[in-house]
Amino acid sequence: QSVLTQPPSVSGAPGQRVTISCSGSTSNIGSGFDIHWYQQLPGTAPKLLIFGNNYRPLGVPDRFSGSKSGTSVSLAITGLQAGDEADYYCQAYDASLRGWVFGGGTKLTVL
Amino acid sequence: EVQLVQSGAAVKKPGESLKISCKASGYPFSNYWIGWVRQLPGKGLEWMGLIYPDDSDTRYSPSFQGQVTISADESLSSAFLQWSSLKASDTAIYFCARPRSSGSSVEGIDVWGQGTTVTVSS
Repeated sequence: QSVLTQPPSVSGAPGQRVTISCSGSTSNIGSGFDIHWYQQLPGTAPKLLIFGNNYRPLGVPDRFSGSKSGTSVSLAITGLQAGDEADYYCQAYDASLRGWVFGGGTKLTVL
Repeated sequence: EVQLVQSGAAVKKPGESLKISCKASGYPFSNYWIGWVRQLPGKGLEWMGLIYPDDSDTRYSPSFQGQVTISADESLSSAFLQWSSLKASDTAIYFCARPRSSGSSVEGIDVWGQGTTVTVSS
């Protein structure tokens, strides 16, 4: 069981918007640690998509955005494309573990 | 170019030992934490542990404490993950990964190794 909780799957039609939620506990998100999001395409290493809750690394399209309000965290993807089909993971630092925690991953299907 | 290059796939028998590597280049190796992440077949990402090469400060997830050993060699700019006695349940892909900021383990992970597939089977 993962420390951070994500829905196992989400889906949407091309062009639509989807959101993926991520919840944690007082030792990670609740302690104010930033949330980061990763995209993992089949057979590849994860790729940093969002860092510091809502910042995009260079090269990540602005169709991807992150938000954090209190302990509520989410990733939004607008203008869905077939190439967005992937697994998405949230991640944070955990003060109790003194290390990283990941969500269980959310599989995005573009219908 | 900043990159982490991992050693190749390994096929081992239960009870055998193994040490896989992660070679860093393009940045000051000693000043960035390196983490190891496991991905079981068809499953999600699990944090195993972290090491800070400059002082060898090492942290383990409780799930992996005592099961693996994480080390680093500054002269080789490499981090290592080793097992003394593999089990079939260790069959997985193992990634090394580096946070985006030096000296910090709380930042997002912007550099990932390509992954090392470990297969343990009799």
